Amino acid sequence: GQNIDQPTEMTATEGAIVQINCTYQTSGFNGLFWYQQHAGEAPTFLSYNVLDGLEEKGRFSSFLSRSKGYSYLLLKELQMKDSASYLCAVRDGRGRGSTLGRLYFGRGTQLTVWP
Amino acid sequence: EAQVTQNPRYLITVTGKKLTVTCSQNMNHEYMSWYRQDPGLGLRQIYYSMNVEVTDKGDVPEGYKVSRKEKRNFPLILESPSPNQTSLYFCASGKGGFQETQYFGPGTRLLVL
Repeated sequence: GQNIDQPTEMTATEGAIVQINCTYQTSGFNGLFWYQQHAGEAPTFLSYNVLDGLEEKGRFSSFLSRSKGYSYLLLKELQMKDSASYLCAVRDGRGRGSTLGRLYFGRGTQLTVWP
Repeated sequence: EAQVTQNPRYLITVTGKKLTVTCSQNMNHEYMSWYRQDPGLGLRQIYYSMNVEVTDKGDVPEGYKVSRKEKRNFPLILESPSPNQTSLYFCASGKGGFQETQYFGPGTRLLVL
């Protein structure tokens, strides 16, 4: 299986930058996703990394180091609406005949953005 | 509108009474999956399906059944629900490709008394 760790809670102020870390231990790595989940809603996709390095998408960036089993999600110019839970998920490619296989989620990091 | 739908959205039932939660997607996705979300435990995968008639167990399949008889539907069946299956359930679908993400349904909140 997979062991995925991320901080339980983080706080930051509007306009600031915050980095949410995720570490993982896997026996079959096939990509890492970040999702955002507002309270009472479904998770929505933010980013995907499968190769080492930084992927930038507007105010959000995600970094991956496969050798270290480490990823982070960087949120810039924080807004109140960014208050949400951020979920790190690792895909295992060992499913029967599949490259998508199973998806393992961390417990999520609850981010609170203060004015 | 491209979407994943789940029914019912809320359900209160009693121990042992069989129930089915339906999931349907209109995006012609090959991949579908069920998760449960519990406080402090995060999202855990129950079952997934790579295509019609192909299903695989996730992390927590015990007490659940699924079927994939047609591409758009992936129902979750609880043959004999128990209180420890009280949870928030999400269905998701995706194209199934290497870099493809999943799109989640709105969730079904289940309470088993």
